[in-house]
Amino acid sequence: QKEVEQNSGPLSVPEGAIASLNCTYSDRGSQSFFWYRQYSGKSPELIMSIYSNGDKEDGRFTAQLNKASQYVSLLIRDSQPSDSATYLCAVKNSGYSTLTFGKGTMLLVSP
Amino acid sequence: EPEVTQTPSHQVTQMGQEVILRCVPISNHLYFYWYRQILGQKVEFLVSFYNNEISEKSEIFDDQFSVERPDGSNFTLKIRSTKLEDSAMYFCASSLAPRGPSGNTIYFGEGSWLTVV
Repeated sequence: QKEVEQNSGPLSVPEGAIASLNCTYSDRGSQSFFWYRQYSGKSPELIMSIYSNGDKEDGRFTAQLNKASQYVSLLIRDSQPSDSATYLCAVKNSGYSTLTFGKGTMLLVSP
Repeated sequence: EPEVTQTPSHQVTQMGQEVILRCVPISNHLYFYWYRQILGQKVEFLVSFYNNEISEKSEIFDDQFSVERPDGSNFTLKIRSTKLEDSAMYFCASSLAPRGPSGNTIYFGEGSWLTVV
């Protein structure tokens, strides 16, 4: 059973702070890793994808992957109230085209 | 920016009725998916579709469900004999390729909220 685990939160940070979101996965065959943002009642919106160990930066977002530890994280710098949402970690396994999602971490950014 | 579009956005149906949810994937994408999310729970994979046939399906996708690509643009999910527990947000999604670092990102539509009463 492929599992993706996330702390459900909520993670509360003040505006301007760095938010750190974490995710672990069980399947060592996992190849592709994604972070989606989901506002309440809305669809998942892609933020970042990462495939190789290390860091990948895109604007205020940095994804970090450590395959040996089966760990992927998302850092959000200069957090804004509009970043308040649930962040979904999703993993795609080798040999499959589908995503396995975690339950998501709710992020609350207070002004 | 190209997007996945879904209709209807919200449907209420009586238990036992059949429902068809419709989707128009991104035009150059080749792989199509249905996911669902029961309120307060995680997004769950239902089925993937490529070259006019199902390529993968989950345990959820039993004989009650079927998918079809009736023409060159639409992709549908049919739910027969709906049950109360089928109430969920159903997301259609598409990707250019199934795997590999290029083109395998899955893009989601806005969802169809199904309420079974």
